[in-house]
Amino acid sequence: EAEVAQSPRYKITEKSQAVAFWCDPISGHATLYWYRQILGQGPELLVQFQDESVVDDSQLPKDRFSAERLKGVDSTLKIQPAELGDSAMYLCASSPWGTGIWNTEAFFGQGTRLTVV
Amino acid sequence: GQQVMQIPQYQHVQEGEDFTTYCNSSTTLSNIQWYKQRPGGHPVFLIQLVKSGEVKKQKRLTFQFGEAKKNSSLHITATQTTDVGTYFCAGAGNMLTFGGGTRLMVKP
Repeated sequence: EAEVAQSPRYKITEKSQAVAFWCDPISGHATLYWYRQILGQGPELLVQFQDESVVDDSQLPKDRFSAERLKGVDSTLKIQPAELGDSAMYLCASSPWGTGIWNTEAFFGQGTRLTVV
Repeated sequence: GQQVMQIPQYQHVQEGEDFTTYCNSSTTLSNIQWYKQRPGGHPVFLIQLVKSGEVKKQKRLTFQFGEAKKNSSLHITATQTTDVGTYFCAGAGNMLTFGGGTRLMVKP
């Protein structure tokens, strides 16, 4: 069964360092999401791609976070510099087509648990 | 921006009791989706509701979508210990926005 792949699974980094997460969506899925989930809360959408274009990044802290999906396939989320408050689970998800009335179910990866010390 | 709220935040039930979680969106939705996240796991899709007033059932789970397409509910009949986890609704407009979730705990 096809899965969304994320790496690394766990990351510990020091405050002010740079950190990057990678996501490989299910083949053929046009929509890719990055969510941040703090323990005990719901996933918060950081950025949504449709192919290589950003659909929404209104909740992405752009002074320190960046995301790209250059060829419309895999994606990288970067944080520089990391802050203590960035400690969370970073979840990537993909769906065949994810905007408006055509929105379909999202398949999630296992996530990357980030700890900033 | 679009906001999705869920209540209650937590629910403890005795095994065999029923459970309901409610979801409200600040905007009209194209559709609403429900996910379940087990402790230590990632959200897993349960169902999608598209039509106004739609009701769908999956065994002991009943999902409803409001007439105005701004609210939804999930009802579990006769809970089992395997139902433990956090249930999220996610509102679909141009983005997929998750609610805060309802954590269900079941006492055997």
